Amino acid sequence: TQLLEQSPQFLSIQEGENLTVYCNSSSVFSSLQWYRQEPGEGPVLLVTVVTGGEVKKLKRLTFQFGDARKDSSLHITAAQPGDTGLYLCAGAGGWATSGTYKYIFGTGTRLKVLA
Amino acid sequence: DAGITQSPRHKVTETGTPVTLRCHQTENHRYMYWYRQDPGHGLRLIHYSYGVKDTDKGEVSDGYSVSRSKTEDFLLTLESATSSQTSVYFCASLDRRPSTDTQYFGPGTRLTVL
Repeated sequence: TQLLEQSPQFLSIQEGENLTVYCNSSSVFSSLQWYRQEPGEGPVLLVTVVTGGEVKKLKRLTFQFGDARKDSSLHITAAQPGDTGLYLCAGAGGWATSGTYKYIFGTGTRLKVLA
Repeated sequence: DAGITQSPRHKVTETGTPVTLRCHQTENHRYMYWYRQDPGHGLRLIHYSYGVKDTDKGEVSDGYSVSRSKTEDFLLTLESATSSQTSVYFCASLDRRPSTDTQYFGPGTRLTVL
């Protein structure tokens, strides 16, 4: 069974601070995605990383896929209150004969940025 | 954003009753998914569909069934609801693009089984 563990589970920081969220597994994934979820809403995709060692930037957010494609990190620079939310990583797991991946989600990191 | 709606948004039911949740998408996506979200577990895949009348099980499929009679609609049925099925249920459809498959999620259905 493929599992994705995220750390930390909860994070409360002051505006302007930097933070890193980790997503780790013992399994290899074809790709890894990061989502952000607001209360009462569904997750929204932020980024997909595909190649081992790949780094992608989305404004103040930097995403990295581990060289072995087993882990990923999300770094936020100068966090703002608008960054508050639940961050989820999701790995594209076993390829099904139906022609799609079964996506495995991490347990989530709840971030609160205080003004 | 893909147009994905879920109904109902909230439901309270009693143990042993059947419950059907509906997901509707307007993007003509082939693949659709049902997940449940519980504290400490993230999102877990219940069932998914890869076309009309084509479905397969996810990691937590026991006690759930699905049906897809039209591309736009994906139904999740709890045959006999139990308290352990109290959860928030999310539907998603998949926009397939090279190296950037994107799941678009609905707003969720909060189900309480008493």
